[in-house]
Amino acid sequence: SAVISQKPSRDICQRGTSLTIQCQVDSQVTMMFWYRQQPGQSLTLIATANQGSEATYESGFVIDKFPISRPNLTFSTLTVSNMSPEDSSIYLCGGAHTEAFFGQGTRLTVV
Amino acid sequence: QKEVEQDPGPLSVPEGAIVSLNCTYSNSAFQYFMWYRQYSRKGPELLMYTYSSGNKEDGRFTAQVDKSSKYISLFIRDSQPSDSATYLCAMSAETGANNLFFGTGTRLTVIP
Repeated sequence: SAVISQKPSRDICQRGTSLTIQCQVDSQVTMMFWYRQQPGQSLTLIATANQGSEATYESGFVIDKFPISRPNLTFSTLTVSNMSPEDSSIYLCGGAHTEAFFGQGTRLTVV
Repeated sequence: QKEVEQDPGPLSVPEGAIVSLNCTYSNSAFQYFMWYRQYSRKGPELLMYTYSSGNKEDGRFTAQVDKSSKYISLFIRDSQPSDSATYLCAMSAETGANNLFFGTGTRLTVIP
């Protein structure tokens, strides 16, 4: 399967600031999406990134808080805006043709 | 009720043991079933992908799906310390990557 590079791998951010996470796939994929992984909880889908148009957000996630871009078939970004400690989590970029595969994740701590 | 239930463990076994990991689900529309392995501080890695009911074997790993019981299993034979990781089940009703529902993961430790 394709390989996903995600950066940064980790960051510690001040509350009220924003962080943009980048996701690069080494080949074109049909789908790209963003998940959140919190300790003891299931991976939760934030949104599906659509090339050249607005992302499709899941219930509980909004564009103002988690703006997403996907300018082409191999690249996407997720911004976590106006961060609070509750946003501390691992954020995973994923891609898929049929099966889903994931990047290494970004471990975000908001202080 | 959660869509997917998975015992979080932790599960510790001696090297060479047979490991059984399980998930149950409530949505009878699920057709695509996956197992992911996640090492500490890494992203999930796809281990097994099955469609509908039945068994699938890949080396020391066997995935089983029983749709009548809404129950899936992953068996690991001759477990190795390198198998120590968190195992996540996932499933969906559409093609394998759409609307995936994940279990919470089972943490496995294989003791040398």
